[in-house]
Amino acid sequence: QKEVEQDPGPLSVPEGAIVSLNCTYSNSAFQYFMWYRQYSRKGPELLMYTYSSGNKEDGRFTAQVDKSSKYISLFIRDSQPSDSATYLCAMSFAQGGSEKLVFGKGTKLTVNP
Amino acid sequence: GAVVSQHPSWVICKSGTSVKIECRSLDFQATTMFWYRQFPKQSLMLMATSNEGSKATYEQGVEKDKFLINHASLTLSTLTVTSAHPEDSSFYICSARVRDILFFGSGTQLSVL
Repeated sequence: QKEVEQDPGPLSVPEGAIVSLNCTYSNSAFQYFMWYRQYSRKGPELLMYTYSSGNKEDGRFTAQVDKSSKYISLFIRDSQPSDSATYLCAMSFAQGGSEKLVFGKGTKLTVNP
Repeated sequence: GAVVSQHPSWVICKSGTSVKIECRSLDFQATTMFWYRQFPKQSLMLMATSNEGSKATYEQGVEKDKFLINHASLTLSTLTVTSAHPEDSSFYICSARVRDILFFGSGTQLSVL
């Protein structure tokens, strides 16, 4: 079983739709959970990060973490064509002097006008 | 968020030449920086961890003599692709960590002719 699983998509939605992006993980040691957005030929841009179970909202974006189910989600409300990008989940932990960061493979999203 | 500046954004070179890519943390000090490689439609692949004042740590399968990393100061890490060949053509991205959050540079597209 891979440490982080992310459906690669591609996902295509009409403008204004609610988008749900998800990742599952197997290592309960992960403490920090992040979502990045990557446009073509650009570096990933940090969208959201959280370190606890529950929801965190920022504008049209909501990050959700369920540690008991080892499941994280990113919701995009009122999606726009400019949201078309690849979305990467990432998670990390630091323990006993060692640190580990793992990325999902990314989900390619297209929002159609 | 923290700003990581990467330069150049794209470079074309002849086979056999060397190419240097710079990564700077603009508003914070980074004792550790990371270099990733990304092929089209694939996720990020960690190449090496750059440590200020010491040797870089390379991931398995990455040739340290091919990809020279220098982290001479707390704000600058460089990746030199030596004797580049067409198979080295790829998108290279650097990142730096603030606490457990990674911030990325804008990436460098390397094309070796």
